[in-house]
Amino acid sequence: GAVVSQHPSWVICKSGTSVKIECRSLDFQATTMFWYRQFPKQSLMLMATSNEGSKATYEQGVEKDKFLINHASLTLSTLTVTSAHPEDSSFYICSVPGQAYGYTFGSGTRLTVV
Amino acid sequence: GQQVMQIPQYQHVQEGEDFTTYCNSSTTLSNIQWYKQRPGGHPVFLIQLVKSGEVKKQKRLTFQFGEAKKNSSLHITATQTTDVGTYFCAGQGTYKYIFGTGTRLKVLA
Repeated sequence: GAVVSQHPSWVICKSGTSVKIECRSLDFQATTMFWYRQFPKQSLMLMATSNEGSKATYEQGVEKDKFLINHASLTLSTLTVTSAHPEDSSFYICSVPGQAYGYTFGSGTRLTVV
Repeated sequence: GQQVMQIPQYQHVQEGEDFTTYCNSSTTLSNIQWYKQRPGGHPVFLIQLVKSGEVKKQKRLTFQFGEAKKNSSLHITATQTTDVGTYFCAGQGTYKYIFGTGTRLKVLA
């Protein structure tokens, strides 16, 4: 299956600042990547589908201007949380479709906004 | 919209006991996947089921897909402490996967 690298693993930022999270597909060219958010002890909620070379597709209720997604190459997608607030604190995980089936997830980024 | 529920939400079992989690979708699924997430970790793909009534086994794990393709189950025989974690089903409706609410399994030694 695909190998997915996600950075950083954890980040603490001040309220009002922006944070960029990177998701790299190391051995697979991914035209599509997915970004999820997971609150403690809850399920994974799909935020958006990142499309290489075009605009991301956001799920209902997800603010496009707040969660900026860029998928400039077949191996890299980035999620930028702009003007972060404490309620944005969460676990953010990216995933890449497998070559056969199944999705490979990045190790996740734990964001804490203080 | 499509919803995927899992029961139970939590399950504590004694090591050696069996465990089952059930996944129910509000809509018919084209396929369903199962993932395991260890505490503090990320989800890891376990298996995909596609056919109506399909049953697949992975060592002590047995996965079933319902005849109507709206429900699924994961059964673990003789649990071990390494089975601890949250088990998620993820059902594909149209093009995207919706994750179930998850079942957190705790195994007591």
